[in-house]
Amino acid sequence: GAVVSQHPSWVICKSGTSVKIECRSLDFQATTMFWYRQFPKQSLMLMATSNEGSKATYEQGVEKDKFLINHASLTLSTLTVTSAHPEDSSFYICSARVGGGSQPQHFGDGTRLSIL
Amino acid sequence: AQSVTQLDSQVPVFEEAPVELRCNYSSSVSVYLFWYVQYPNQGLQLLLKYLSGSTLVKGINGFEAEFNKSQTSFHLRKPSVHISDTAEYFCAVIDSGGYQKVTFGIGTKLQVIP
Repeated sequence: GAVVSQHPSWVICKSGTSVKIECRSLDFQATTMFWYRQFPKQSLMLMATSNEGSKATYEQGVEKDKFLINHASLTLSTLTVTSAHPEDSSFYICSARVGGGSQPQHFGDGTRLSIL
Repeated sequence: AQSVTQLDSQVPVFEEAPVELRCNYSSSVSVYLFWYVQYPNQGLQLLLKYLSGSTLVKGINGFEAEFNKSQTSFHLRKPSVHISDTAEYFCAVIDSGGYQKVTFGIGTKLQVIP
């Protein structure tokens, strides 16, 4: 149980393109979904936290106009990287959680984004 | 503010030997503690968690961790490692209060040597 599906797993695109990443909780309804960015050999950096039906809360330093997050339902959140540039290349991981912080986050397998 | 320190970036260990991955944290409030494992090109998988109660927590794949409040530590241990345990391990802290923001450590790469 508690499976989170993230799609696509790998995307390569040209600079200036917008890329959408989907995160779905397959067998549970997620109260909260999180988006992380992971640089090579580094830890996860929380980008934003989103609750269904409300605006995402972005971490300091994360451009909300650059990284658009939509959490339309209890099972789906999307991250759109708008007008992507090579510096946006990274590994993006989503997670979903039911309830409060005492509950574990369930992670997707990540999306490797490469901008040429 | 809270922080997590994983003291070892890499830990090489021979197969069937014991291992300890260290994690220390700092926080001004009570916290929940987690260990996650990440295999190459994958997301994170929960190994175990400490919320309250018994300070020795057992998780999946034979791992366990002990919460030590006085030393603000939550070290991960396994008595006998396997090749399949080769992965990146992340310690995470969540404040138990209203905001409940999660903070991850930088990770420890466990390399099991056959």
